[in-house]
Amino acid sequence: GAGVSQSPRYKVAKRGQDVALRCDPISGHVSLFWYQQALGQGPEFLTYFQNEAQLDKSGLPSDRFFAERPEGSVSTLKIQRTQQEDSAVYLCASSPRTEAFFGQGTRLTVV
Amino acid sequence: TQLLEQSPQFLSIQEGENLTVYCNSSSVFSSLQWYRQEPGEGPVLLVTVVTGGEVKKLKRLTFQFGDARKDSSLHITAAQPGDTGLYLCAGAGDGGSNYKLTFGKGTLLTVNP
Repeated sequence: GAGVSQSPRYKVAKRGQDVALRCDPISGHVSLFWYQQALGQGPEFLTYFQNEAQLDKSGLPSDRFFAERPEGSVSTLKIQRTQQEDSAVYLCASSPRTEAFFGQGTRLTVV
Repeated sequence: TQLLEQSPQFLSIQEGENLTVYCNSSSVFSSLQWYRQEPGEGPVLLVTVVTGGEVKKLKRLTFQFGDARKDSSLHITAAQPGDTGLYLCAGAGDGGSNYKLTFGKGTLLTVNP
């Protein structure tokens, strides 16, 4: 497709379970971002990749959060031992330069 | 830490009315972007403003970047029900962190027919 694709769209996890969220960016976009959006809030920066290099992970809330982009295209955000406070929409965005194009997001609910 | 304050947080108006949404910060941004987000979707970019004092128009929407590049406004003329959504402003950091967007909490606009 032409846009950023995220899967799954919805994920329900039991507390303590590990989850993996996938992002397929727009082809050719060098930059890839992950944002977390809590209910009623704006998105908050998690991490930034330029090609396969993770240049900024300062927004990751804890060491339970891990992101990778091994071949400079598809990215995966992994959350280990999920907690209730991890419930949010996780947005992926890709960018050719400065303007970000967002996917539809994955809504994670931890029960 | 750069913060963006958006106001108002909620706005409910009748079709045909005009409105203005504000985005303010004490920090300088290299650019500022406005997005519109509908329920269950990701934010969609409306406009990017880069130069202090810049004004951009997109049909009935007028965007302005403050002279000091710390604030911005979005004005909608003759609002329509299709304008309903969450409007988000996002600033790109100055200098080496210009890839990172700081978002405001958004303004939830409802335009009633």
